[in-house]
Amino acid sequence: GAVVSQHPSRVICKSGTSVKIECRSLDFQATTMFWYRQFPKQSLMLMATSNEGSKATYEQGVEKDKFLINHASLTLSTLTVTSAHPEDSSFYICSARGSPGGGNEQFFGPGTRLTVL
Amino acid sequence: RKEVEQDPGPFNVPEGATVAFNCTYSNSASQSFFWYRQDCRKEPKLLMSVYSSGNEDGRFTAQLNRASQYISLLIRDSKLSDSATYLCVVKRGGNQFYFGTGTSLTVIP
Repeated sequence: GAVVSQHPSRVICKSGTSVKIECRSLDFQATTMFWYRQFPKQSLMLMATSNEGSKATYEQGVEKDKFLINHASLTLSTLTVTSAHPEDSSFYICSARGSPGGGNEQFFGPGTRLTVL
Repeated sequence: RKEVEQDPGPFNVPEGATVAFNCTYSNSASQSFFWYRQDCRKEPKLLMSVYSSGNEDGRFTAQLNRASQYISLLIRDSKLSDSATYLCVVKRGGNQFYFGTGTSLTVIP
């Protein structure tokens, strides 16, 4: 299957700092990328959907000024958590959709575990 | 009402048992349906898509009932390696994917 990478896999930062997470589709062009957040023992919650070259669409309750998403190319999307606070500590997972044959499957990155002190 | 609802479990079953999970979705306009598997602290991985006619992949059988808006997953002859959380995923038009909270399965030796 297609491969999606995320970097970093784990980050610990101080409150008030900004953290950037990268999501890359390694062997296919991702027309759409999704960013999810997962708290312990809960399901994935979609934060935003981004299409290459256009502004991301944020889900209700997700602050676009706090979670900045850039999808500058067909293989890279970034999520920046600005002025992070302890309540932003979570598991952030990206997924990508789009393959030579199209299709509905999402391919997930391995996730980034963010801890804000 | 949640887009997708699942019984969170946990389901604890002995090796070799048959176990079934159900999932309901609220929006009749939903178009595509999937079961994903998520191991602890890992990303979800597609287990199988769910088709209207039902489909089988080895020990796994998925079924869709559009009239009642539910999806099921049946696992036969459970293996220890089947222990994971199973996520029901529903796609509406465009790029809207909705995840259930997941059902936890532990297969016991």
